[in-house]
Amino acid sequence: DAGVTQSPTHLIKTRGQQVTLRCSPKSGHDTVSWYQQALGQGPQFIFQYYEEEERQRGNFPDRFSGHQFPNYSSELNVNALLLGDSALYLCASSPKGVSYNEQFFGPGTRLTVL
Amino acid sequence: GDSVTQMEGPVTLSEEAFLTINCTYTATGYPSLFWYVQYPGEGLQLLLKATKADDKGSNKGFEATYRKETTSFHLEKGSVQVSDSAVYFCALTLSGSARQLTFGSGTQLTVLP
Repeated sequence: DAGVTQSPTHLIKTRGQQVTLRCSPKSGHDTVSWYQQALGQGPQFIFQYYEEEERQRGNFPDRFSGHQFPNYSSELNVNALLLGDSALYLCASSPKGVSYNEQFFGPGTRLTVL
Repeated sequence: GDSVTQMEGPVTLSEEAFLTINCTYTATGYPSLFWYVQYPGEGLQLLLKATKADDKGSNKGFEATYRKETTSFHLEKGSVQVSDSAVYFCALTLSGSARQLTFGSGTQLTVLP
């Protein structure tokens, strides 16, 4: 059983560009969350998708947007990249009907903005 | 708002030493508590969890007890190994929420042979 997968592994962009990151959840999971982890920090919640809708959003600007597809996979889009967007972007999926809110993380996409 | 505070690191121990990493939290409701571990170059792995007061989570020799009276969830291990070297994150999520995790800043553990 494959776990959460993310692509690409690494990405280098320049300021002002746009980027799309992709995530496939673990089999049987229907909810996908995205986190940003700056170097030396804990992950920060960006947003969460459930049933193709954004269900909750953290304190991130509208430059960060997302999408969830019918097969539960998800994309994170960041427009007008800033140097401060350089980070490890983590995707996490949650199983259906679990009460204690366990999340399973992918290996992340390392984004470098020059 | 909800927050998690972890002891400042990094922590360096010799193999077979006793480990404690402190974690306290602030939450408006009744959170579930987690410890995640991150090995170099990898994503986060769930280490253990506790969903209500006085629960003890345990896995791979690590333990943590959900203490509501002190709002704490300290991570302990009786005898660490070199392979335990990693960054450890304490986190919480609120019951009934959309499963948003709030993380602490992480504690880097290095175990020397």
